[in-house]
Amino acid sequence: EDQVTQSPEALRLQEGESSSLNCSYTVSGLRGLFWYRQDPGKGPEFLFTLYSAGEEKEKERLKATLTKKESFLHITAPKPEDSATYLCAVSRQEANNLFFGTGTRLTVIP
Amino acid sequence: NAGVTQTPKFRVLKTGQSMTLLCAQDMNHEYMYWYRQDPGMGLRLIHYSVGEGTTAKGEVPDGYNVSRLKKQNFLLGLESAAPSQTSVYFCASSYSRVGELFFGEGSRLTVL
Repeated sequence: EDQVTQSPEALRLQEGESSSLNCSYTVSGLRGLFWYRQDPGKGPEFLFTLYSAGEEKEKERLKATLTKKESFLHITAPKPEDSATYLCAVSRQEANNLFFGTGTRLTVIP
Repeated sequence: NAGVTQTPKFRVLKTGQSMTLLCAQDMNHEYMYWYRQDPGMGLRLIHYSVGEGTTAKGEVPDGYNVSRLKKQNFLLGLESAAPSQTSVYFCASSYSRVGELFFGEGSRLTVL
């Protein structure tokens, strides 16, 4: 059975304090791993797709990495506007949908 | 560019009432999805469609029906609402099978 576990559930950082969010997954035949950002009262917004172990992608202060069992979302020198819930999701080969984790709620304090 | 638009944004129902949520996308996407989001549960797929006139069940389809009569629209229906269907519903679309999903802003449904 597909499983996605995100940790921590919540994270509070001071502005400029770098950290990482974790997404551990169990899926047979991974097709891709996705990161989304969700602001309160809004729909998720796509950030990254990773397809194979060792792959990395960057966008501004965010960098996503992938191994065979987990993915990390590294946040470098975060700003208050980075505060949001970050969702991880996986897709299987031959599947038509994504399986989501419960998210990490990030708060960046000025 | 509107993207994915959901209506209504808020609705309160009594147990046993019926309603339809409408999702419209203007990106000419083939794939459309309905998810529900509950605290501590993450997003769960209700139904999806791989093209006009097609629908398929997701993880939690019971109590819901869908229709995709036009490519740009995907309707989610509740025939007899139950308190367990109180949730935030998100519609999403994508240009390819399990490509980047574009989400609407959500529809918050409360069933009393």
